[in-house]
Amino acid sequence: RKEVEQDPGPFNVPEGATVAFNCTYSNSASQSFFWYRQDCRKEPKLLMSVYSSGNEDGRFTAQLNRASQYISLLIRDSKLSDSVTYLCVVNREDTGFQKLVFGTGTRLLVSP
Amino acid sequence: GAGVSQSPSNKVTEKGKDVELRCDPISGHTALYWYRQRLGQGLEFLIYFQGNSAPDKSGLPSDRFSAERTGESVSTLTIQRTQQEDSAVYLCASSGEGGQGNSPLHFGNGTRLTVT
Repeated sequence: RKEVEQDPGPFNVPEGATVAFNCTYSNSASQSFFWYRQDCRKEPKLLMSVYSSGNEDGRFTAQLNRASQYISLLIRDSKLSDSVTYLCVVNREDTGFQKLVFGTGTRLLVSP
Repeated sequence: GAGVSQSPSNKVTEKGKDVELRCDPISGHTALYWYRQRLGQGLEFLIYFQGNSAPDKSGLPSDRFSAERTGESVSTLTIQRTQQEDSAVYLCASSGEGGQGNSPLHFGNGTRLTVT
């Protein structure tokens, strides 16, 4: 089983739609969580950190469920520019050092 | 200041040759990571530096791969006797605040390596 698992998609939605992705992680010692976005053939860029209490940044909302070991990303009012791959990232700190593990990503396609 | 800088941006090499990839992290960032991303695949962790030390080398695919970091700054990833399966984008990232878990990664643009 992969340490971080995501549905690869693609998720096809029309402009203005609301869409949500989940990501599950297997290591209960994971401490920090992030969502990154990656345009085709470009480097990943931080979208948002995920806090235990949940957090919102404009149209994006991230939630963490430690009991079930998953994080989610909700995108409201989808834009064409949201058509990228969303990477779930989990930071493992149980071995005394940082190791950020990336999921393989969920691809979103927003159509006009 | 400047972001993470990687060079070269593209490298084409013949099978069996050695290559050296360079990463200049953001000034002051103590943690530095190397990842590999094959076409259409996710990011594969290679190695992590805290300062000049590499506490985790578990991701290096084989003994043909090595990396070093000096002056808590520049890092080089060396691949010896390259193979075609080494073809990928090699991404470097750094993070600040002593590499604390809640510090996000800042990525360079990557080096696209093609082994012919």
